Amino acid sequence: DAGVTQSPTHLIKTRGQQVTLRCSPKSGHDTVSWYQQALGQGPQFIFQYYEEEERQRGNFPDRFSGHQFPNYSSELNVNALLLGDSALYLCASSLGTGAGSPLHFGNGTRLTVT
Amino acid sequence: AQSVTQPDIHITVSEGASLELRCNYSYGATPYLFWYVQSPGQGLQLLLKYFSGDTLVQGIKGFEAEFKRSQSSFNLRKPSVHWSDAAEYFCAVAPNNAGNMLTFGGGTRLMVKP
Repeated sequence: DAGVTQSPTHLIKTRGQQVTLRCSPKSGHDTVSWYQQALGQGPQFIFQYYEEEERQRGNFPDRFSGHQFPNYSSELNVNALLLGDSALYLCASSLGTGAGSPLHFGNGTRLTVT
Repeated sequence: AQSVTQPDIHITVSEGASLELRCNYSYGATPYLFWYVQSPGQGLQLLLKYFSGDTLVQGIKGFEAEFKRSQSSFNLRKPSVHWSDAAEYFCAVAPNNAGNMLTFGGGTRLMVKP
């Protein structure tokens, strides 16, 4: 049973560039959430996708956007990268969006912006 | 807005000793409460969760947590720590009426002495 998979595992970009991160949810899950974890901090919620629509969004600028595909996989896009965007980006999947649906996390994508 | 505080950034315990990690939350009502563990280079793994009912909840790997409404706390405990428990531990909350969007604390890094 494959868990949540994220690609790539590491990425280095330059300020001003754009980046796309990818996530495949755990088998049977239909909801994908994205979190940003800066070094030494707890994860912060970016947004959640369900039925190919953004359902909830945290306090992140419009430079952060996403997409969910019919097979439930998801992408996170960040435009006009800033140094402060350097972080571990975690994808989590669940069955539905209810609080009773626990999140299963991938190992993350480490993004470094230089 | 809800918030989660983990007062201890680092904790060091000897192998075999007991452990208690503190977590306090700020929220208007009783939220759903979670503890996650993150090993180096890994994603987050759910240890246990509290929704309602018995205030002492059991989790995986021998961990337990106690919800105390009067103190707005949800402390994590383990009677005897193993070297493999060395990791970062995160407390998180979700509003009980708004899905599984999590707010995380800053984390506590646990080191285990032989």
